[in-house]
Amino acid sequence: GAGVSQTPSNKVTEKGKYVELRCDPISGHTALYWYRQSLGQGPEFLIYFQGTGAADDSGLPNDRFFAVRPEGSVSTLKIQRTERGDSAVYLCASSLMEADTQYFGPGTRLTVL
Amino acid sequence: AQSVSQHNHHVILSEAASLELGCNYSYGGTVNLFWYVQYPGQHLQLLLKYFSGDPLVKGIKGFEAEFIKSKFSFNLRKPSVQWSDTAEYFCAVNAGGGATNKLIFGTGTLLAVQP
Repeated sequence: GAGVSQTPSNKVTEKGKYVELRCDPISGHTALYWYRQSLGQGPEFLIYFQGTGAADDSGLPNDRFFAVRPEGSVSTLKIQRTERGDSAVYLCASSLMEADTQYFGPGTRLTVL
Repeated sequence: AQSVSQHNHHVILSEAASLELGCNYSYGGTVNLFWYVQYPGQHLQLLLKYFSGDPLVKGIKGFEAEFIKSKFSFNLRKPSVQWSDTAEYFCAVNAGGGATNKLIFGTGTLLAVQP
């Protein structure tokens, strides 16, 4: 079956611009996670949703980052006033239920010039 | 706060050599442990996981890992590596018992297997 998909695969933007990154989880998966991976590092947790609500947003670095999952399926990660330090690969994962194995998408590579 | 340490950042082996990648975590409670692998140009895939039960866990492609609670370790092993095992390997942990579902990852180990 289809895995987790993320769009776009690459995004180049200028400092100060607004970006949206989209994640389509595996069909039927109730939990959805966002991570960020910088060069030479492991993925770093940002936020996760159980259904439509954010169950844990403790990893969001500041208030420029926001994520939504309005219908409990697709999620959008939104970054306002992008900074060069936001450049990274943004990974999405989903799991059938909470505390279950997380399946990762291919990521969106964000480059802020 | 939870953390995961992978002490080997870059490992180079010849085919048929044995592999052991170290992973240590810091967390005093119940944990779930994972090894993920990222092959060149591909996304993260689950290699194996430990939730409870037998501390020796077998995964895909001949990999196994042993959970040693007293050492806070979950080392990954394979008796004989192949060129196709060239990839980056990540150890991850989350707090068990539903405390949180976020994964804490190590920095990864890049394995290069020479034919």
